[in-house]
Amino acid sequence: QSVLTQPPSASGTPGQRVTISCSGSSSNIKSNIVDWYHQLPGTAPKLLIYSNNQRPSGVPDRFSGSKSGTSASLAISGLQSEDEADYYCAAWDDSLNGWVFGGGTKLTVL
Amino acid sequence: QVQLQQSGPGLVKPSQTLSLTCAISGDSVSSNNAAWNWIRQSPSRGLEWLGRTYYRSKWNSHYAISVKSRITINPDTSKNQFSLQLNSVTPEDTAMYYCARTGQAGSNDYWGQGTLVTVSS
Repeated sequence: QSVLTQPPSASGTPGQRVTISCSGSSSNIKSNIVDWYHQLPGTAPKLLIYSNNQRPSGVPDRFSGSKSGTSASLAISGLQSEDEADYYCAAWDDSLNGWVFGGGTKLTVL
Repeated sequence: QVQLQQSGPGLVKPSQTLSLTCAISGDSVSSNNAAWNWIRQSPSRGLEWLGRTYYRSKWNSHYAISVKSRITINPDTSKNQFSLQLNSVTPEDTAMYYCARTGQAGSNDYWGQGTLVTVSS
């Protein structure tokens, strides 16, 4: 099992807003920044949100991140078909002294 | 623009050593603002961080507990790259292996293209 807990799937229709949750603990999410990645089949994960709520250059503002206590969330507004991908959360874990990841959420655009 | 280019064999026999290299362009393996990671991904284990190396006045390496007895990550400053060696592999080590940079913001912002490594006789 992954250290961070995500729902295995999420879905929405074009234009909708969807959120993906990520649950951790005091040694990872509560203590450190949370990153979000998206991954298309056959490609490497790509940084989508860093430092809880920052977007790298080129990432649309439809994507936003937030963190509270031991949980974090990724929100995607104005859902588009191209958003269909796997999404992962990640954080540094002070107890394990390493990066930990969520199990991934497969987003389907209906 | 930072680019990470991975190389290494895709097939390794059980009990042998898995060796991969990640060549860096657009940054330096000796940077005081970066760390260089190996991460793998498999259907059974998901994304799993294996370890990292970084330079802060001296070279440091840290490894995941799950592989600590079998892993070495080394920088190669002459070629601006870093490597992964995983000893005594078993079929459970079959995975897609990625190298990744932890940048100044503290996030893994650049990833290699991935190498699918299969452990099989």
